[in-house]
Amino acid sequence: GAVVSQHPSWVICKSGTSVKIECRSLDFQATTMFWYRQFPKQSLMLMATSNEGSKATYEQGVEKDKFLINHASLTLSTLTVTSAHPEDSSFYICSANDSLDGYTFGSGTRLTVV
Amino acid sequence: GENVEQHPSTLSVQEGDSAVIKCTYSDSASNYFPWYKQELGKRPQLIIDIRSNVGEKKDQRIAVTLNKTAKHFSLHITETQPEDSAVYFCAADSGTYKYIFGTGTRLKVLA
Repeated sequence: GAVVSQHPSWVICKSGTSVKIECRSLDFQATTMFWYRQFPKQSLMLMATSNEGSKATYEQGVEKDKFLINHASLTLSTLTVTSAHPEDSSFYICSANDSLDGYTFGSGTRLTVV
Repeated sequence: GENVEQHPSTLSVQEGDSAVIKCTYSDSASNYFPWYKQELGKRPQLIIDIRSNVGEKKDQRIAVTLNKTAKHFSLHITETQPEDSAVYFCAADSGTYKYIFGTGTRLKVLA
């Protein structure tokens, strides 16, 4: 079935630094990918829709300048958390749709900002 | 936009009993409703889904029902086993492949 790879699986960074998370569709092309954020014991909150070759569409309340999304190719979307702060610590997970297998999630990235 | 509510937030059942999780949605245009199982620290895995032209779907011990008029859908797990313990999320589509998730149900199956 379709595979979505996400890296890194976990990262610890200092406050004020930026962190980049990659989401790759390994065996299919994805013109659209989605980025979610999940706090402990809470639901997946859609942050933005990543569109290949164009600007991402952000959900209400999500800071565009804080969470930079780039979808430069049909198999790669990146989420950069800029000037990270402890409150940005969370589980970030991407997803993509394969026409055969439907919606597939990446393995997630646990970000801890210290 | 779409809003999805899910109940209960936690559910404990004895092994062998049935578990039912319910969700309601707000957007009548939604027509696809997947259910995901998420184990601690892992990615959500699709366990069953239903489209709006179907009222019920079953896959072994798991079934989903949809009442489009009332805008609610439910997950039914029969003969529960300890390995069913996880967090379950319902979702409704809100635009092409854009999903809005429910708040999750932590299911605990007691041996």
